[in-house]
Formats: sequence, structure tokens, C-alpha cells
Amino acid sequence: AQTVTQSQPEMSVQEAETVTLSCTYDTSESDYYLFWYKQPPSRQMILVIRQEAYKQQNATENRFSVNFQKAAKSFSLKISDSQLGDAAMYFCASRADNYGQNFVFGPGTRLSVLP
Amino acid sequence: GAVVSQHPSRVICKSGTSVKIECRSLDFQATTMFWYRQFPKKSLMLMATSNEGSKATYEQGVEKDKFLINHASLTLSTLTVTSAHPEDSSFYICSARDARTPEETQYFGPGTRLLVL
Repeated sequence: AQTVTQSQPEMSVQEAETVTLSCTYDTSESDYYLFWYKQPPSRQMILVIRQEAYKQQNATENRFSVNFQKAAKSFSLKISDSQLGDAAMYFCASRADNYGQNFVFGPGTRLSVLP
Repeated sequence: GAVVSQHPSRVICKSGTSVKIECRSLDFQATTMFWYRQFPKKSLMLMATSNEGSKATYEQGVEKDKFLINHASLTLSTLTVTSAHPEDSSFYICSARDARTPEETQYFGPGTRLLVL
């Protein structure tokens, strides 16, 4: 079984500043993926970043990077140079690396970006 | 990236009627699709896994007779909410698995907002 926890229901950041969203997870799987998804008001789920658990190197995508601590089962998202368009709900998710596995989502963090 | 569509995007129906929601993978074949439900200000919860040509697998607590899932082709899965009631009002999101990619990338549809009066 997999569980994902996000301890910050809401966060805010000043435009152009950096913010870190926390996520912890628990899984019995040996191979799995971790994700951060963004859900803007349109409610379309948008993939922000993905991390393969077997990779030690932290994933980065432009202004988005993760701090993956496998032993601690921690997977935080850092957003640098925050922009107004980054305001959204952010969901941390895990997915086992087995055939046809579903996502398990955390409860989400609502991020506000202040001008 | 691959595109997954959902139709309708929003629907309002009367209590007791049935509503069908379609999930289509537009440029790839999806042997597996997933249906999620999202209540306001809440996270996505898996309802069922839809496999082409076989019966869907439902999560615990999801009524299979109420939420009928059909995955009759490699590009289409449908979710039918039968005898809908106001408590079925929610946001329904599907995702489709693209087996062409080694990591089996999954793509989300834009969601369907259901309001039962």
C-alpha cells in the first residue's frame, strides 16, 4: 500500500522568491515513481516534475526542482523565481513501477503567489 | 505530449437519471485507464481501473453497480453514473496509460464536472 502526506494545506510566496512544498510518502514497493502535479483553477492536472526512485540525482525542470530523500521518504518541491502563474493546487503523488498502476495522491497544498 | 479528452466537460442532471462520461486517448492506444473522483478542495481518489476488454477493478467502497465502467476499445473508456443522486455531484477525472513509453506515462483528461439536482 502507498500513502502520501502533504503537511502544508496552504503556502504563500512573494513573486520572484523561492518556496518549498513538503511531501512525505510511504510505500512497500521497491520500484516506484514520485510526481508533483499542478492543478490550476481550470482543474486540468499538469505534470510539474517526475522522479524515478532508483535515481539518486534530484530531478529538475527549469525553475522546479525536487529534494528527494529516499531513506527519509521525503520528496519536496522547490519553486524558484515564483511567478503569478504558479499559483495553484499542488499535489504530490506516488506510483508503483508495476504494470498499469494508479497514482496515489497527497491531500494537496494550495500555493498563492503575492505580487 | 499525448492528449486525453473527456466529454462532457460539465453536466447537470436530475436526480434518478443516468449520466455517461467518456474518456478518450486521442493519439495513442490505452489498454488501461483510471477513473478518479475529486470533491471540492480535496484530492483525487481512485475509483476504478479500466482495462480494455475486461471488467473494471473497483476500489473498496465504490459501488460497481452505480458506477458502470466500460472499456470497449483501446481509445475509449466510459463511466456511467446510474440513478444519480445529489451526493454523486463531483469532479470526475480520467487518466490513460501510454504503454509506448518505458515508464508507462499516464496522461490526465481535463475532467468532467457533474451536478445532480
